[in-house]
Amino acid sequence: DQQVKQNSPSLSVQEGRISILNCDYTNSMFDYFLWYKKYPAEGPTFLISISSIKDKNEDGRFTVFLNKSAKHLSLHIVPSQPGDSAVYFCAAIPQGGSEKLVFGKGTKLTVNP
Amino acid sequence: DTGVSQNPRHKITKRGQNVTFRCDPISEHNRLYWYRQTLGQGPEFLTYFQNEAQLEKSRLLSDRFSAERPKGSFSTLEIQRTEQGDSAMYLCASSERQGGDTEAFFGQGTRLTVV
Repeated sequence: DQQVKQNSPSLSVQEGRISILNCDYTNSMFDYFLWYKKYPAEGPTFLISISSIKDKNEDGRFTVFLNKSAKHLSLHIVPSQPGDSAVYFCAAIPQGGSEKLVFGKGTKLTVNP
Repeated sequence: DTGVSQNPRHKITKRGQNVTFRCDPISEHNRLYWYRQTLGQGPEFLTYFQNEAQLEKSRLLSDRFSAERPKGSFSTLEIQRTEQGDSAMYLCASSERQGGDTEAFFGQGTRLTVV
């Protein structure tokens, strides 16, 4: 039962253009969302997060949008750079308790020069 | 502090052997997590410590798995009688909630191969 879904296994964009990575969730008890970037043979690296009380958070080239009614969030990267090529994971934290992360399966982003 | 450190980075073991992994979290973080990642999947939660107390365990953590965090600092994850299905990347993360925000920082992982 996948509570966090990333339905696109891969995405390819041209350098300088916008990358949009999508994530859907089923559990309305999630109250915090995060995006991680992962290179092969390394651990995930935190990118950006958003609380469920907000609908947008921006950090440099990265913006995360949250649509609670649709249970959908997206990560926008603009402009995309070849160094952004990696696997991106969406993760969610349920209310209360341990703050463990529930991850999606990831989307592999390739930014072409 | 250079972040979360995991050792070893790679471990190859024969089926049936025991293995132990170590995680050194960011020093001021009181929360420590273990996750497991297999090919094509996102990391899956295994267990959680707050200081030295193990407060949550996933049903993925069979009785062959045991984790400890003595003195609330480093943590170890032991797998007894390893099976081929245990082959995965084992990730450790630490975090500390500050105000309304939280971030979990991951180590580079230990890649386990059971042959």
